[in-house]
Amino acid sequence: KQEVTQIPAALSVPEGENLVLNCSFTDSAIYNLQWFRQDPGKGLTSLLLIQSSQREQTSGRLNASLDKSSGRSTLYIAASQPGDSATYLCAIPTGGFKTIFGAGTRLFVKA
Amino acid sequence: GAVVSQHPSWVICKSGTSVKIECRSLDFQATTMFWYRQFPKQSLMLMATSNEGSKATYEQGVEKDKFLINHASLTLSTLTVTSAHPEDSSFYICSARDLRGAPTGELFFGEGSRLTVL
Repeated sequence: KQEVTQIPAALSVPEGENLVLNCSFTDSAIYNLQWFRQDPGKGLTSLLLIQSSQREQTSGRLNASLDKSSGRSTLYIAASQPGDSATYLCAIPTGGFKTIFGAGTRLFVKA
Repeated sequence: GAVVSQHPSWVICKSGTSVKIECRSLDFQATTMFWYRQFPKQSLMLMATSNEGSKATYEQGVEKDKFLINHASLTLSTLTVTSAHPEDSSFYICSARDLRGAPTGELFFGEGSRLTVL
């Protein structure tokens, strides 16, 4: 059974710092891995989708990597800004169309 | 990118009434949509999988007579909270997977619906 873990659970950093959020999973046979952000009281916004055959994806200041052999994905945020404050979740689809989510990392970027 | 739209974004109703929430995929067809419930500062809890043209599949512990799901078309799924009570107050979110890149489609979420039952 796939399990997804995110570390740290919460993170507070000063503006401008580069930071790394971690996601680990127990079953390396994945179709893809997706990173989302959720602002309070809002739905989830898709940030990056990494297919099983890919090693990384980049969008602006965000870079996500995938290492299936070690069961890990990282989300790198460069030059963090207060607007990056949100909860970040990683998610992996299962064979039955469902999705397994990590518990999320709550990020607070201080101005 | 693909968009999933949810309506209404918030609703307040009296105890005992029913509330319908709509989830639409705007630029792709979704044979399967998902309904989640989220309590404050907690992760998403999958309630049910909505299947176009057939019955929804409910997760264990979710009352199917309380939470009616209809997926009548490839772009619309509805969740009706029947005879709502204050304990049904929550944030409900839908999602759909864009399978144009099947089988590794991208998952998109609606904006969420905040239900408050008085």
